[in-house]
Amino acid sequence: GIQVEQSPPDLILQEGANSTLRCNFSDSVNNLQWFHQNPWGQLINLFYIPSGTKQNGRLSATTVATERYSLLYISSSQTTDSGVYFCAVVGTSGSRLTFGEGTQLTVNP
Amino acid sequence: KAGVTQTPRYLIKTRGQQVTLSCSPISGHRSVSWYQQTPGQGLQFLFEYFSETQRNKGNFPGRFSGRQFSNSRSEMNVSTLELGDSALYLCASSTGGSYGYTFGSGTRLTVV
Repeated sequence: GIQVEQSPPDLILQEGANSTLRCNFSDSVNNLQWFHQNPWGQLINLFYIPSGTKQNGRLSATTVATERYSLLYISSSQTTDSGVYFCAVVGTSGSRLTFGEGTQLTVNP
Repeated sequence: KAGVTQTPRYLIKTRGQQVTLSCSPISGHRSVSWYQQTPGQGLQFLFEYFSETQRNKGNFPGRFSGRQFSNSRSEMNVSTLELGDSALYLCASSTGGSYGYTFGSGTRLTVV
């Protein structure tokens, strides 16, 4: 099945810093989403982005489908950005989401 | 509109018991998927239902089963619980096909 790799696994920042999270995937995809898991466990959808670039406030994402990677940018980070960020994809032959192992982001005041 | 609703939020069960979890999707969404999250295995796909039919199934033992009703609400059942079944169980809904998924708040199951 499709493989998803996220990097870095851990990231520690000072408030106000910028960061880039990366997601590599092993095959063509019909769907790619970025999620933020809150402290209560819920996966909050950040972007649905199988290709192209999107922005939402301080967050933006870019997926280069031909090169099989996606990037999530967080600018001017805040302590509330802390948590685990997951990239998940749906391959062209299926309908299940395959998740990466996540990036644990810690933003210190 | 209302999001994906999972009940209960927390459960404590004893080994050997069985448990049923519920998921109500976003209105109009016909696809419901279930995922298990554990510290060791990460997020793993259990199964997907679309219009009351199981469309996809992950690599879990037969103790894990599910169903979907005509109103798209879904239940998953785990029989003969084992300690290793302790996990966060997440439900996601979508319109079907390769579109975005929206997740519920999850049910945290502890098996003692």
